[in-house]
Amino acid sequence: NAGVTQTPKFRVLKTGQSMTLLCAQDMNHEYMYWYRQDPGMGLRLIHYSVGEGTTAKGEVPDGYNVSRLKKQNFLLGLESAAPSQTSVYFCASSYAASRGSSYEQYFGPGTRLTVT
Amino acid sequence: KQEVTQIPAALSVPEGENLVLNCSFTDSAIYNLQWFRQDPGKGLTSLLLIQSSQREQTSGRLNASLDKSSGRSTLYIAASQPGDSATYLCAVRPNYGGATNKLIFGTGTLLAVQP
Repeated sequence: NAGVTQTPKFRVLKTGQSMTLLCAQDMNHEYMYWYRQDPGMGLRLIHYSVGEGTTAKGEVPDGYNVSRLKKQNFLLGLESAAPSQTSVYFCASSYAASRGSSYEQYFGPGTRLTVT
Repeated sequence: KQEVTQIPAALSVPEGENLVLNCSFTDSAIYNLQWFRQDPGKGLTSLLLIQSSQREQTSGRLNASLDKSSGRSTLYIAASQPGDSATYLCAVRPNYGGATNKLIFGTGTLLAVQP
């Protein structure tokens, strides 16, 4: 049971290049999330998904796209990278929530992205 | 808009000391509050989750309390060890936004336990 895995671990891009970050989970979780972590700003939610084939915007979605074609995978895409997207990106997953339930989010190890 | 604040930003203590980390949030309308640990260059590990109806949760040397009405939570670490050195993050799940389980994070407290 690997939990939540992310690839790649590190990446350097030039401004304007594109890339896709892959998140995979083997816990059969319905919900998946992409966060970015910047110094002094904590983790901020980029996009999330509450099920296969569905995605929604989080707090800072601009410049990113996502897809959830399979339940276990959640992809984060940068179409035209900018230096402001230099950050550490974390994926997380959890069971489906409801108003009466609360479930922990499990995090991947992160992807450190630098855009020059 | 919900905001989560953690003070202090950094803390250094000698081994064996008991310590308290603080977390405050501006809107008391939350489902739960979680405390996480983050080691350098690593992901987040969940430590404790407190439901809005609970006052505290304990796990080993860790005890987290929640005072929802005043918008405060504390994480108490007993008999600190060098292995406790890490960044500690708190996060709240607001009770708006439907059943999305979204979290709002604080900026963390960097703890260093000196041997």
